[in-house]
Amino acid sequence: DIQMTQSPSTLSASVGDRVTITCRASQSISSWLAWYQQKPGKAPKLLIYKASSLESGVPSRFSGSGSGTEFTLTISSLQPDDFATYYCQQYNSYSAFGPGTKVDIK
Amino acid sequence: EVQLVESGGGLVKPGGSLRLSCAASGFTFSSYSMNWVRQAPGKGLEWVSSISSSSSYIYYADSVKGRFTISRDNAKNSLYLQMNSLRAEDTAVYYCARDLTPNEGEEDAFDIWGQGTMVTVSS
Repeated sequence: DIQMTQSPSTLSASVGDRVTITCRASQSISSWLAWYQQKPGKAPKLLIYKASSLESGVPSRFSGSGSGTEFTLTISSLQPDDFATYYCQQYNSYSAFGPGTKVDIK
Repeated sequence: EVQLVESGGGLVKPGGSLRLSCAASGFTFSSYSMNWVRQAPGKGLEWVSSISSSSSYIYYADSVKGRFTISRDNAKNSLYLQMNSLRAEDTAVYYCARDLTPNEGEEDAFDIWGQGTMVTVSS
């Protein structure tokens, strides 16, 4: 099975900051990676698919990059609505989520 | 409006059974693979099971294999999860989720999610 890791587990940042979250897969998953945002008590929301494709309606300050085993989610200028937990998901072989990265207010 | 609505959650004793349902609307349900994802209280997301559009391909996480059964009824626009031999560690919010693109048997990201239904396994 493919294992996913994320770093950091928690990130403290301020509005306007550039934020980067890293996701690693235990083996190559090509570009079959998605990123989700989840707020407390809500369902996850798809942000990025196929490593770098922006889901419709998602602000352009979100971007994704990477391939193989290492991927990043970048928020170019953190907005108040962006404080949330972010998960990566591989879908190269079945599906598996990373453990999450909580972005909170510094 | 594209929508998924889960139901069937509740309190069940260890070893018991429960059947979750997910009602789909606003899209051609029969064209999309569907999925169940769960989230234990205060924990991260865990993929549980997937079923292709025609039910030809079915996959399970190791943690539920042999105990849970995913199924769908395309005529009723509904997805199901039959959960047997439930354990305390199955306690979670269960979400149904749609694949991003209509396909048969190919894994995909999940673009539409329901609101979730809570399953509590406790004596």
